Amino acid sequence: GAGVSQSPSNKVTEKGKDVELRCDPISGHTALYWYRQSLGQGLEFLIYFQGNSAPDKSGLPSDRFSAERTGGSVSTLTIQRTQQEDSAVYLCASSLAGGFSETQYFGPGTRLLVL
Amino acid sequence: AQSVTQLDSQVPVFEEAPVELRCNYSSSVSVYLFWYVQYPNQGLQLLLKYLSGSTLVKGINGFEAEFNKSQTSFHLRKPSVHISDTAEYFCAVSNMMDSNYQLIWGAGTKLIIKP
Repeated sequence: GAGVSQSPSNKVTEKGKDVELRCDPISGHTALYWYRQSLGQGLEFLIYFQGNSAPDKSGLPSDRFSAERTGGSVSTLTIQRTQQEDSAVYLCASSLAGGFSETQYFGPGTRLLVL
Repeated sequence: AQSVTQLDSQVPVFEEAPVELRCNYSSSVSVYLFWYVQYPNQGLQLLLKYLSGSTLVKGINGFEAEFNKSQTSFHLRKPSVHISDTAEYFCAVSNMMDSNYQLIWGAGTKLIIKP
């Protein structure tokens, strides 16, 4: 079946502009994760959704970052007033139910460059 | 706080030679351990995971890893590498104290296969 998809694959924006990143999880997966991957670093957890709700948003680096999930499926990560330090690859993953032992399935990522 | 250390940012090795990619973690609670692989221009995918039972875990593409609780390590090994193993390998730990089921990630190790 179809895997996790993300769009756009690449995004170049100017400092101060808002951007929206989209994630389509695997059908039937209730858990969805957003991560940020900066050059030479591991993945940084941003937020986790179980269904449409996010129990804890403390992983978001600042209040310029927000995310929502509708219909228990598609999720959007929004970055307002982008800064150069926001440049990174943003990865989305989904898993069947959410849990410590579950495999997470990753999308190809959105590469964001803020000029 | 939990952390994951991948001691080598890059590991060059000749084709058909054995390889070991090192991973150490710190945690005050029991953990689940994962290795994910990211092939060039592809998304992250699960290589193997340790949940319980035998400390030697076998994964895809001939890789295996051994959980050593006393040394808090989960090193990845392959007896004979192939050019197709060229990729970045990430070690991750499941944070059982976190209701977000987030993974704590190492910085990654690039496996470079020399012909």
